[in-house]
Amino acid sequence: GQQLNQSPQSMFIQEGEDVSMNCTSSSIFNTWLWYKQEPGEGPVLLIALYKAGELTSNGRLTAQFGITRKDSFLNISASIPSDVGIYFCAGPRIVQGAQKLVFGQGTRLTINP
Amino acid sequence: NAGVTQTPKFQVLKTGQSMTLQCAQDMNHNSMYWYRQDPGMGLRLIYYSASEGTTDKGEVPNGYNVSRLNKREFSLRLESAAPSQTSVYFCASKRGRTSTDTQYFGPGTRLTVL
Repeated sequence: GQQLNQSPQSMFIQEGEDVSMNCTSSSIFNTWLWYKQEPGEGPVLLIALYKAGELTSNGRLTAQFGITRKDSFLNISASIPSDVGIYFCAGPRIVQGAQKLVFGQGTRLTINP
Repeated sequence: NAGVTQTPKFQVLKTGQSMTLQCAQDMNHNSMYWYRQDPGMGLRLIYYSASEGTTDKGEVPNGYNVSRLNKREFSLRLESAAPSQTSVYFCASKRGRTSTDTQYFGPGTRLTVL
């Protein structure tokens, strides 16, 4: 099925460093979503982007909706231990009147204190 | 509000056994979803229910059945479990049908089939 490509697949950083990850697709999305999943929990929505070129922040997180509508970026500034988790990008598709979410493979973030 | 709840949290089955995963939401959402999560694969949609009384296949429906029991509850059944169904299963719900509505996820059920 259709899939979003996320990179990198994993990151090992020092506390305090900035983090960048991205998500690309071969087709256009009208909405980009970024979720975070912590161990033993379900994904939680961090940021939603609705417009090409849009730059949206949520605390230390900043995400951008690519101008081509085929990519999106998530940046985390000054990482802290609680940022550890798996970050997923997702894009909704409306099929037969119902929304289906297409997910990337995830970026696993590990932080060394 | 509890949001989206799932039971059980963990389950071990033998090949060929059956079981039902339960999901309930208390947000009065119309749409509900079942996903499976496998390493390196992200989340893949198994079945969804756009509204009470309707269900449709997602990306990977084989080996599963669902029931939208009422607006709150959406169950996923494995009639004859196989090792390939070892995975973490997530239920999600969403208020409406537009792309601006957010999907809220439950905590997941970790299933192992031996």
